[in-house]
Amino acid sequence: DQQVKQNSPSLSVQEGRISILNCDYTNSMFDYFLWYKKYPAEGPTFLISISSIKDKNEDGRFTVFLNKSAKHLSLHIVPSQPGDSAVYFCAASPNTGNQFYFGTGTSLTVIP
Amino acid sequence: DVKVTQSSRYLVKRTGEKVFLECVQDMDHENMFWYRQDPGLGLRLIYFSYDVKMKEKGDIPEGYSVSREKKERFSLILESASTNQTSMYLCASTPGTTYEQYFGPGTRLTVT
Repeated sequence: DQQVKQNSPSLSVQEGRISILNCDYTNSMFDYFLWYKKYPAEGPTFLISISSIKDKNEDGRFTVFLNKSAKHLSLHIVPSQPGDSAVYFCAASPNTGNQFYFGTGTSLTVIP
Repeated sequence: DVKVTQSSRYLVKRTGEKVFLECVQDMDHENMFWYRQDPGLGLRLIYFSYDVKMKEKGDIPEGYSVSREKKERFSLILESASTNQTSMYLCASTPGTTYEQYFGPGTRLTVT
């Protein structure tokens, strides 16, 4: 059973607007959450992460929000740029750091 | 920069063949992982290794084995390839002190 879910397979956003990608998880033992970005024919690259002791982490145009009670996290990209067009995966790990559970990905298209 | 390399970008094998996928990382990372990525299923963990000669099963180990004889190298072995093992295979590593995974470019394996 999928422990990390990304219910939107795709998202289209106009350049300059905000992109919001969502992720839900079921396992309350997850301690650390990450977002990865993947271009076609490349491996995923790390984007941003958040520990369960925080509810927000920001890095430039990217902000991740964590709502532990709802078991929900989201990635905000502001402003969105055409180069952000990629598949975004969220991932979660219990505090061992040895096991990572990935969502199914959301394909973001930023329209110029 | 951390570099994770995989031996082949594309591979075509016949049913029943023994297949070796090689992964090498150059940053002395402790942990290494093998995933497969399939449409609608995201990344699923096959095996991981937290030290030389140590391995742990992930979510979908059936039909696969691994070998880690040296710290920098982690091999995935398909003992007898089957068509349902046609997939994108991704190798990743982490230093063990942080959670961010560094991924290789992937191997697109087709079993006919």
